[in-house]
Amino acid sequence: NAGVTQTPKFRILKIGQSMTLQCAQDMNHNYMYWYRQDPGMGLKLIYYSVGAGITDKGEVPNGYNVSRSTTEDFPLRLELAAPSQTSVYFCASSYIGRSYSYNEQFFGPGTRLTVL
Amino acid sequence: GQNIDQPTEMTATEGAIVQINCTYQTSGFNGLFWYQQHAGEAPTFLSYNVLDGLEEKGRFSSFLSRSKGYSYLLLKELQMKDSASYLCAPRTRDAGNNRKLIWGLGTSLAVNP
Repeated sequence: NAGVTQTPKFRILKIGQSMTLQCAQDMNHNYMYWYRQDPGMGLKLIYYSVGAGITDKGEVPNGYNVSRSTTEDFPLRLELAAPSQTSVYFCASSYIGRSYSYNEQFFGPGTRLTVL
Repeated sequence: GQNIDQPTEMTATEGAIVQINCTYQTSGFNGLFWYQQHAGEAPTFLSYNVLDGLEEKGRFSSFLSRSKGYSYLLLKELQMKDSASYLCAPRTRDAGNNRKLIWGLGTSLAVNP
């Protein structure tokens, strides 16, 4: 299993450009999450999905969009990039079922995005 | 509202024991996770508590008191590689039965020789 993969690892954008951050998992997890982490700060939830075709906003959704057409993929779209979107973006997934197992979130390696 | 409180920084000596405390206020509490995050890397899962009491996993133990809104992570026989941030993350379940983690700022632990 590759686990959670993210591409690209690094990206520099100019103000006003758009891009899509890719995230995929091969663990058949139902839940997927997008977070951003600014230096010295905690993880902030951008969007999450509880299954294919279902997405919902987190704490900081403005300026972002997501889709979940398959169980495996959960891309994050940045429209009209702004310097405030400079951050490290982490994708995570977990399996939430009926059993009281850990259901921990597994994280991808992150995408480091700079908007200039 | 939802709130998590952890010390910002801690320092300890190699071979020693350190306890990192976490107090939280959340609605729809559904367990508490501890994650480790090395600088420049993604968080990795350490431990999970859903019932009161102590859970032990090798050098790491975690304790939960749901009535007090309190947890701690205990690290024994500290090693230099334990220098990292430790993130306390209660899980919540909302009215739609959706599960999310609430993340604190984390505790930056420095282990000195």
